[in-house]
Amino acid sequence: AQSVTQLDSQVPVFEEAPVELRCNYSSSVSVYLFWYVQYPNQGLQLLLKYLSGSTLVESINGFEAEFNKSQTSFHLRKPSVHISDTAEYFCAVSVYGGSQGNLIFGKGTKLSVKP
Amino acid sequence: DAGVTQSPTHLIKTRGQQVTLRCSPKSGHDTVSWYQQALGQGPQFIFQYYEEEERQRGNFPDRFSGHQFPNYSSELNVNALLLGDSALYLCASSFYRQRYGYTFGSGTRLTVV
Repeated sequence: AQSVTQLDSQVPVFEEAPVELRCNYSSSVSVYLFWYVQYPNQGLQLLLKYLSGSTLVESINGFEAEFNKSQTSFHLRKPSVHISDTAEYFCAVSVYGGSQGNLIFGKGTKLSVKP
Repeated sequence: DAGVTQSPTHLIKTRGQQVTLRCSPKSGHDTVSWYQQALGQGPQFIFQYYEEEERQRGNFPDRFSGHQFPNYSSELNVNALLLGDSALYLCASSFYRQRYGYTFGSGTRLTVV
């Protein structure tokens, strides 16, 4: 069985500071990895995903995540955060193989960006 | 292009009652998955429908059932509601042959009293 651990439930940070949201996973088979963002009273939006290829993946709004197979991690980073990045972030995995595997989510990390 | 539409947005039910939640997938999508997100938790997979059949199921009791219609829309039914069923229910649609191209709806907030 697969599981996802997000090590920080809340991360407060000042605007323009760097941030890292940590995600570790456990799986006996290869997995795909995802980060989703959830703004208040909204559904989930895909931020970025790792399916194969380069272990460093980037989103259009400045976030990046690096797949580290040896450490079974997929930490999310941004060099300079904005107030608008305040949201809850979920790390998720899905079993490799097949096109429509279900997603297994972590408990989420609430990012709070302060002015 | 409309995204995933869920109805209703909020719902209050009494313990023991039955509830039906609805989902219209994004245009061009043919697969619908349902997730339950309890307060302070990540979403948990309930089941997935494709070609009007349940293709995968998570660890949820038989009180949770679903249906997919020929137009790809879907319903989630929960019988004999428990207080613990209070949660945000999220629908995600995708195209079966595109890997992990999920689009999530904004969810239905179910409160059981």
